[in-house]
Amino acid sequence: AQSVTQLGSHVSVSEGALVLLRCNYSSSVPPYLFWYVQYPNQGLQLLLKYTSAATLVKGINGFEAEFKKSETSFHLTKPSAHMSDAAEYFCAVSDSGAGSYQLTFGKGTKLSVIP
Amino acid sequence: NAGVTQTPKFQVLKTGQSMTLQCAQDMNHEYMSWYRQDPGMGLRLIHYSVGAGITDQGEVPNGYNVSRSTTEDFPLRLLSAAPSQTSVYFCASSQRRKETQYFGPGTRLLVL
Repeated sequence: AQSVTQLGSHVSVSEGALVLLRCNYSSSVPPYLFWYVQYPNQGLQLLLKYTSAATLVKGINGFEAEFKKSETSFHLTKPSAHMSDAAEYFCAVSDSGAGSYQLTFGKGTKLSVIP
Repeated sequence: NAGVTQTPKFQVLKTGQSMTLQCAQDMNHEYMSWYRQDPGMGLRLIHYSVGAGITDQGEVPNGYNVSRSTTEDFPLRLLSAAPSQTSVYFCASSQRRKETQYFGPGTRLLVL
C-alpha cells in the first residue's frame, strides 16, 4: 500500500522568503508523484508532477520539486514567497504499476504568507 | 471546454434523506473518481470508474453508490444520509491511468 506524509499541517513564511513544503512517500513500486494546490473554496489544481523522467520537476507559479529516491521524498520549494501563494498544498502518490489507479493524498499543508 | 462540473455547490440534508451529487466532464476522459475532503484528513477516494459501465471502490465507499452509464457523467448517490457524511465532495477525471487528474469545484454537503 502507498502512503504520503506531509510534515507540518501549517507553515508560515514571510513574503520574499523561501517556501519549503515537505512530502515523504512510501510505495512498493516506483511512484508517480504530484503536488496540487487548493485556494479557498476552490477545487485542486496541479502544480507539478514526477513520472520517472527528470528528478527535478518545475511547475507553475515558480514552484519546483525534487524526487529523491534514497530519502523517499518529494519536497516542494519556491525561492521567494508571494502573497498569492497562500493556499493549501497537497502531495499525492500513485504507483506506476499497471494494476493500480488509486491516487493517495497527504493530509495537506496550509501555507500562510506574512507581509 | 467547461472541464469538470459539479452540482449542486451546496446542499443541506436531514439524516436519512437521499440525494445524488452530479459530476460531468467534457474532455472525453476515461477515468473519473469521487473524493471527500475533511479537515486534517486530506482527500480520500470514495469510488472510481475506469470507463463507462466499470466502477470500483476506493478507500471509503460505505454509504455511497455510483454508476457510469456514459463517458461524461459519474453521479454519486447517498442512499440514506448520515451526519458523518458532512464533507466537501470533489469529482475528478483524467484521460488515462496515471495521468493528471482534473478536479471539479466541489460540493459542500451538510447533513443535520
